[in-house]
Amino acid sequence: GEDVEQSLFLSVREGDSSVINCTYTDSSSTYLYWYKQEPGAGLQLLTYIFSNMDMKQDQRLTVLLNKKDKHLSLRIADTQTGDSAIYFCAETFDSWGKLQFGAGTQVVVTP
Amino acid sequence: DAGVTQSPTHLIKTRGQQVTLRCSPKSGHDTVSWYQQALGQGPQFIFQYYEEEERQRGNFPDRFSGHQFPNYSSELNVNALLLGDSALYLCASSLPDTANYGYTFGSGTRLTVV
Repeated sequence: GEDVEQSLFLSVREGDSSVINCTYTDSSSTYLYWYKQEPGAGLQLLTYIFSNMDMKQDQRLTVLLNKKDKHLSLRIADTQTGDSAIYFCAETFDSWGKLQFGAGTQVVVTP
Repeated sequence: DAGVTQSPTHLIKTRGQQVTLRCSPKSGHDTVSWYQQALGQGPQFIFQYYEEEERQRGNFPDRFSGHQFPNYSSELNVNALLLGDSALYLCASSLPDTANYGYTFGSGTRLTVV
């Protein structure tokens, strides 16, 4: 099984905020990432956070990191239909950057 | 500026055959990593190439091998294909200090083994 766990599905109304959660198990993780995958496409890096940070904001995206609980979340403000995709949480432990991914959360945005 | 280019986009092979997938990294990137993404799963790390050498390897059998060329492009070879090798194969390129700069992923090659 994977060391990174995510809920599998999230449904949200257009204009609302989405919160996608992730639990990781390795406390030695250096960077934690959020990637987006649309149908038939590769992975798009949305944002990342270094393990010594608690929060990072980038336009509509807010990442929160709770190292004590090994919990990472991604909040998308004002969710749009174009945000419908699968979102992957990933961690890496070294500077070479081998990524350990979760199984992904499918986000469906309804009008 | 072209991103990561993978070929072919789709491929159907028969059990026992061999396959070669190709990847051209993003301009300026010299490190190439390969990931396997089974249906409904997150990507799994296969290996990473830097300076034409395999630098890091995931938990994949020796049937999976690779190569990096002097122009930084890369190939993934899979021998003796099994039905379970059916997946989306993603190539990702980066600078050597990947963790600080992140990957750029290609759109993948969809391999179906019948």
